[in-house]
Amino acid sequence: EVQLVESGGGLVQPGGSLRLSCAASGFTFNSYAMTWVRQAPGKGLEWVSSTSADGVRAYYADSVKGRFTTSRDNSKNTFYLQMDSLRAEDTAIFYCAKDMSARILTGYLDFWGQGTLVTVSS
Amino acid sequence: DIQLTQSPSFLSASVGDRVTITCRASLGISTYLAWYQQKPGKAPKLLISGASTLQSGVPSRFSGSGSGTEFTLTISSLQPEDFATYYCQQLNNYPLFSFGPGTKVDFK
Repeated sequence: EVQLVESGGGLVQPGGSLRLSCAASGFTFNSYAMTWVRQAPGKGLEWVSSTSADGVRAYYADSVKGRFTTSRDNSKNTFYLQMDSLRAEDTAIFYCAKDMSARILTGYLDFWGQGTLVTVSS
Repeated sequence: DIQLTQSPSFLSASVGDRVTITCRASLGISTYLAWYQQKPGKAPKLLISGASTLQSGVPSRFSGSGSGTEFTLTISSLQPEDFATYYCQQLNNYPLFSFGPGTKVDFK
């Protein structure tokens, strides 16, 4: 059974940093691209970042480019999102999600974690 | 950037109704479109990929169609568990994948 479990969310002051983790199980983690999607309270879904299966290529939404960095440790089946220079508008539930296809990044997200809440406030 | 719009934003319906949601793209995206269902407090669920391919385990009352700039998600006979918010997502502007604003389906 595929499982994705996010952790690391919490309250952080504007300008601060936070690192989210996504622990994966139930599939061959190093064969699949992974994606972060966020959802501000009461709002819609926003694609944040995607990373290739080997972790070499990472892509970011303009809203987070230069502030957020993704990485993955395929030996630990874990996917990360380092968030720096956080702003109030980054307040959201952050979901990690698995790509539908092995070895390529398609963007179709067939399994999602339950999300972790990040609140940026003073 | 490719912008997605969805109509309606909000839809009131009854069990058994046929429901159609439309997603429009600002530029042609071929059939690089997905539909997701999200229930309150839950993560989204992939329903349809490639504009019309139903994911495994998704009931056949769901169907998707369209190509280019206009797409539809149809629920042929709305069931109680279908009351949720539905999002389209474009995957043509690789790798900058964006979502539509959502359509909430609620009880009439």
